[in-house]
Amino acid sequence: GAGVSQSPSNKVTEKGKDVELRCDPISGHTALYWYRQSLGQGLEFLIYFQGNSAPDKSGLPSDRFSAERTGGSVSTLTIQRTQQEDSAVYLCASSLESRGLREQYFGPGTRLTVT
Amino acid sequence: GENVEQHPSTLSVQEGDSAVIKCTYSDSASNYFPWYKQELGKGPQLIIDIRSNVGEKKDQRIAVTLNKTAKHFSLHITETQPEDSAVYFCAATQSGGYQKVTFGTGTKLQVIP
Repeated sequence: GAGVSQSPSNKVTEKGKDVELRCDPISGHTALYWYRQSLGQGLEFLIYFQGNSAPDKSGLPSDRFSAERTGGSVSTLTIQRTQQEDSAVYLCASSLESRGLREQYFGPGTRLTVT
Repeated sequence: GENVEQHPSTLSVQEGDSAVIKCTYSDSASNYFPWYKQELGKGPQLIIDIRSNVGEKKDQRIAVTLNKTAKHFSLHITETQPEDSAVYFCAATQSGGYQKVTFGTGTKLQVIP
């Protein structure tokens, strides 16, 4: 079946512009995560949605970052007034999280370059 | 919150040798420990996981061990092959409830033919 998809795959934007990154999780998965991965670095947690619970936003680096998940499915990560340090690969993952199943399925990522 | 440390950050082995990656965690409530493999240009993919009710789990050339008392777990890859070259991430979380997954910082494994 279809995996996690992300769009766009690549995004080049000018400093100061806003960007929106989209994630389509696997159908039926209740949990959705956003991570940031700078070149050669680890996974930096950004935000976690789980069902109808309030999202865990503890990883968002500044108030320029926000995310929403509409209807428990598609999620959008928005970065306002982009800065060069925002350049990274943004990864989305979804998880069923039923009966303790917590395997995360990752999308291919969106490579963001801020010039 | 949970904190996961991973070592080494880079590891080079000759093809056919074994590779071991070690992780420690801080939260004694964590009971689910997955390992992910990330190939270049792709998202991470689960390769094996272990729950706190077992001490070891094997899947062909890959094994994971868990020491709950010491709060550490390890990934063992035997008979390494060039296609094992990738970045490996350990993680820790709780299998139930509302708890994010905390990842280690990653190990870049290079298998030299």
